[in-house]
Amino acid sequence: KAGVTQTPRYLIKTRGQQVTLSCSPISGHRSVSWYQQTPGQGLQFLFEYFSETQRNKGNFPGRFSGRQFSNSRSEMNVSTLELGDSALYLCASRSSGAGRPSGANVLTFGAGSRLTVL
Amino acid sequence: EDKVVQSPLSLVVHEGDTVTLNCSYEVTNFRSLLWYKQEKKAPTFLFMLTSSGIEKKSGRLSSILDKKELFSILNITATQTGDSAVYLCAVDMIKAAGNKLTFGGGTRVLVKP
Repeated sequence: KAGVTQTPRYLIKTRGQQVTLSCSPISGHRSVSWYQQTPGQGLQFLFEYFSETQRNKGNFPGRFSGRQFSNSRSEMNVSTLELGDSALYLCASRSSGAGRPSGANVLTFGAGSRLTVL
Repeated sequence: EDKVVQSPLSLVVHEGDTVTLNCSYEVTNFRSLLWYKQEKKAPTFLFMLTSSGIEKKSGRLSSILDKKELFSILNITATQTGDSAVYLCAVDMIKAAGNKLTFGGGTRVLVKP
């Protein structure tokens, strides 16, 4: 089956602009998480959505927001972009996110959206 | 504050060598520890560990967890150039709902021919 699909793969924005990134999870997966990856901070958790509801949120400012649609596709938005927002944004999905951990229910990552803010 | 620390930061080995990567953690409400391999973009899943002392093995890779000393190791034997990647350790914690992985900074492995 198809993996996690993220679009766009690359984009360049200028400070002050906003950006919307899209993520289509693996078919049947209802939990979608977003992570930011930078050379200095590594992978940091942004938020997680399940059944169109935000279940967990990381320590990022309110400029970072997201949503999930009824078909489990998710978008994240960053407003008023800053230079420090330049990063690889990774989306990951899993089937439910609940219950006992198992190898069949781990996060599967997409290839990411590389955002450069000038 | 939850913390996951990986060591070494990077290492260079030659094909055929064995490498051992370390991951230590200090988190509340531990649920599982995961290892991922990241070559270009998407981290790919290697292992999930939940119980102490039980080795997980996949080909030349193996991993074990020590929940008393709060660390895990990932071993790669008979390394190949294709093993060159960043290896990420992450801890999953029991929260009120859902999951939130806390990642270590990664170990960059370069395998030279």
